[in-house]
Amino acid sequence: GENVEQHPSTLSVQEGDSAVIKCTYSDSASNYFPWYKQELGKRPQLIIDIRSNVGEKKDQRIAVTLNKTAKHFSLHITETQPEDSAVYFCAASIRSRSRLAFGKGNQVVVIP
Amino acid sequence: DTAVSQTPKYLVTQMGNDKSIKCEQNLGHDTMYWYKQDSKKFLKIMFSYNNKELIINETVPNRFSPKSPDKAHLNLHINSLELGDSAVYFCASSGGDEQFFGPGTRLTVL
Repeated sequence: GENVEQHPSTLSVQEGDSAVIKCTYSDSASNYFPWYKQELGKRPQLIIDIRSNVGEKKDQRIAVTLNKTAKHFSLHITETQPEDSAVYFCAASIRSRSRLAFGKGNQVVVIP
Repeated sequence: DTAVSQTPKYLVTQMGNDKSIKCEQNLGHDTMYWYKQDSKKFLKIMFSYNNKELIINETVPNRFSPKSPDKAHLNLHINSLELGDSAVYFCASSGGDEQFFGPGTRLTVL
C-alpha cells in the first residue's frame, strides 16, 4: 500500500526565516497531495494541495512543489511567523481505496 | 454553518464502559471517516463509509463499531473501553479528494 514519509520530524526556525518540509510517497498512481496544518488542540485543516499534473503551487507565503519522478513533494513557508507554529501533515491519495495516506507529521516551531 | 461536527468534545470514562461518539456533516459529502490520533500525533485511519456502506476497516478491534444511519452521519460506538483507547478521535468527510475534519473528541479512559 501507499507509504508516506515526512522529514524532519521537528523543525525549529527563527521568525522571518523559511521552513521546508519534505515528504516522499511510494505509489506512483497517487495523484493528489494535500498539506494539513494542525494547531494545538485544533482539527487538521487543509492549507494547500497539489495535483500530479502540476509541478508547483503558491498561496501567499506557502508553496508546494512536486517531483513525480522522484516521488517527493515539499511544503515551503516563507517569512515564518509565530502563528505558523503547528504540526504539519502531508498526505497522498490512494485512488483505489478513496482515502489519503498521511505522513506522521512535522512539528514546526517558529522562534520569535 | 457548513461543517463537520462531533459530539461530545470531551469524554472521560472508566475502563470497561461503553461509549459513543457522534459525527454529522452538512457538506453533502458521500464519504465519511474516523481517525484516531494518539499522543504522538499520528493520524491513523480506522473506518471509512461511502453512502452508508463500509469501505475501509483498518484492522480495528471489533470493540469499535461504526454505524452510518444516513450519509450525513457516522457514529462510533466503543465497547469495553481500555486504557489504550485514550486518544483524540476525528471524524472527517469528503466529496472528492479533500477531506474536512471535525473538531475532534478527546477520549480519556481511567
